[in-house]
Amino acid sequence: DTEVTQTPKHLVMGMTNKKSLKCEQHMGHRAMYWYKQKAKKPPELMFVYSYEKLSINESVPSRFSPECPNSSLLNLHLHALQPEDSALYLCASSQESRTSYEQYFGPGTRLTVT
Amino acid sequence: AQKVTQAQTEISVVEKEDVTLDCVYETRDTTYYLFWYKQPPSGELVFLIRRNSFDEQNEISGRYSWNFQKSTSSFNFTITASQVVDSAVYFCALSEARNDYKLSFGAGTTVTVRA
Repeated sequence: DTEVTQTPKHLVMGMTNKKSLKCEQHMGHRAMYWYKQKAKKPPELMFVYSYEKLSINESVPSRFSPECPNSSLLNLHLHALQPEDSALYLCASSQESRTSYEQYFGPGTRLTVT
Repeated sequence: AQKVTQAQTEISVVEKEDVTLDCVYETRDTTYYLFWYKQPPSGELVFLIRRNSFDEQNEISGRYSWNFQKSTSSFNFTITASQVVDSAVYFCALSEARNDYKLSFGAGTTVTVRA
């Protein structure tokens, strides 16, 4: 089973709202990732968690707040977003971080900020 | 600097035609890894292949084949006898130790297969 699930599939939120994106994997992977993908562009790495600890933050604005409650779950808390934050948010996992292991991606959450 | 170049932005073919996607990479590491991912309209990136820099053997998996040539820093991907379900954006990516093995994606090539 190489499945990564993400909820919700679609999310529309206002600039003053607080919302959360959720990601789950049951492959026993110890690394989980958040990516942001704008239309017709490749994914851009946002955060990496390794063994439930934040390992890499690619200078992401603080209005994005990641959380890894356990080894299977990854959340992305959103607050005071801007319209330019509208994008597809992809979660991924791999056996380990900082290694050559392939990453498995979820279907993404399409976020629209109004 | 762009580490992975996918020069073809869009390719359109008729079903059953072969299609080759080019990928050229740039790295100073001697050990590195190359990947291809497929992103259909549904949005999920699907892992297709990983290749390390020490293994230049070409690989075939069903209708997919990959040609890795270190001499030209290329890792090209061919779909044989294309089908409508192959329509997707295909990304080539590079992973290097000096970059914490983060994936450096190319810009992607959109493949449209017409019936």
